[in-house]
Amino acid sequence: AQRVTQPEKLLSVFKGAPVELKCNYSYSGSPELFWYVQYSRQRLQLLLRHISRESIKGFTADLNKGETSFHLKKPFAQEEDSAMYYCALSPREGGGNKLTFGTGTQLKVEL
Amino acid sequence: DTAVSQTPKYLVTQMGNDKSIKCEQNLGHDTMYWYKQDSKKFLKIMFSYNNKELIINETVPNRFSPKSPDKAHLNLHINSLELGDSAVYFCASKGPGSPEQYFGPGTRLTVT
Repeated sequence: AQRVTQPEKLLSVFKGAPVELKCNYSYSGSPELFWYVQYSRQRLQLLLRHISRESIKGFTADLNKGETSFHLKKPFAQEEDSAMYYCALSPREGGGNKLTFGTGTQLKVEL
Repeated sequence: DTAVSQTPKYLVTQMGNDKSIKCEQNLGHDTMYWYKQDSKKFLKIMFSYNNKELIINETVPNRFSPKSPDKAHLNLHINSLELGDSAVYFCASKGPGSPEQYFGPGTRLTVT
């Protein structure tokens, strides 16, 4: 079974402060990990995926297989980063590319 | 030229009614999904279709019946609506060879 845990329901930081949204997963096979973001009243959209190793909007996430984590980080938070962030896992093969989402973390960036 | 569209955007209805939500994608994708986002923002997959065939069916009451008339459409019909069905329902699609899913804007269903 695949499972994604986001321990923080709400994370509030000041503008310019570093941000780290935690994500831990459990899966017996080889997973693909993603971060999706949902801005207020907008659709869910892909922020980044671990295999691309990109930095999108200043965010990065590194897959740590030893700790089974995929934390999302940004060195300096901006007001426009306020949104709901979901960590998600998909099997590399089979399973219909089923995405299992974490419970989400609401990020609030205050001035 | 919206990639994944859903209708209606909002749906308010009474308990016991039957309703449908429609989803269309113009991305040429072959896999489509329905997700439910509850009041606590928890997002859970319900169904997935690949080339009009059901491939994922999570533990969903059989009052929910997906229908895929063609690869570009995946509709969700709900019978005998209950209060607990109130949620935002998201449709998504995915192309072959890429795990990225593209989501629709969501349909907010309120059952009174």
